[in-house]
Amino acid sequence: NAGVTQTPKFRVLKTGQSMTLLCAQDMNHEYMYWYRQDPGMGLRLIHYSVGEGTTAKGEVPDGYNVSRLKKQNFLLGLESAAPSQTSVYFCASGTSGKEQFFGPGTRLTVL
Amino acid sequence: DQQVKQNSPSLSVQEGRISILNCDYTNSMFDYFLWYKKYPAEGPTFLISISSIKDKNEDGRFTVFLNKSAKHLSLHIVPSQPGDSAVYFCAASYNFNKFYFGSGTKLNVKP
Repeated sequence: NAGVTQTPKFRVLKTGQSMTLLCAQDMNHEYMYWYRQDPGMGLRLIHYSVGEGTTAKGEVPDGYNVSRLKKQNFLLGLESAAPSQTSVYFCASGTSGKEQFFGPGTRLTVL
Repeated sequence: DQQVKQNSPSLSVQEGRISILNCDYTNSMFDYFLWYKKYPAEGPTFLISISSIKDKNEDGRFTVFLNKSAKHLSLHIVPSQPGDSAVYFCAASYNFNKFYFGSGTKLNVKP
């Protein structure tokens, strides 16, 4: 039982490049979330999903897209990376929208 | 504008004493509150939660208090242990969909 896993753990991009972050959970959770953590800002919700095939915007969705084609996977895409997207990204999953189980994070640097 | 605020970036406490971490919120629609603990290079882990219909919830050494009129919640850790040293985030939600996190308080428990 791996819980919530994130791929990759680290990545360096150049401005304008694209990439996809993968989140996978093996707990059969309906709800999945993508957050970013920046110094002094706590965690901010980017996008979330309340079930397979559904997605919704969070606090800071601009510049990101997501997909939830399978219940266990939640993908976060950056189409054209910008230095402002340098951050640590956390994925989380949960049931009933209550407590969330977080992955270990992906540290992304955009040069 | 942050809807959930943790105004103390850090707190230092002696082992065995009480740690009190504070959190304020602005949105009166929030009906569910949580505390998470985060160690470096790991994702946050759920600690304790409270519904807005209660004013106190206790789990072992951890107690969360909610004062709805003041829009304030606090986490008490008694007795504090060196292993409690971590960053603590409070979070709030309504309708269990979107979660709003504070910026975190770094707790240092000195042996």
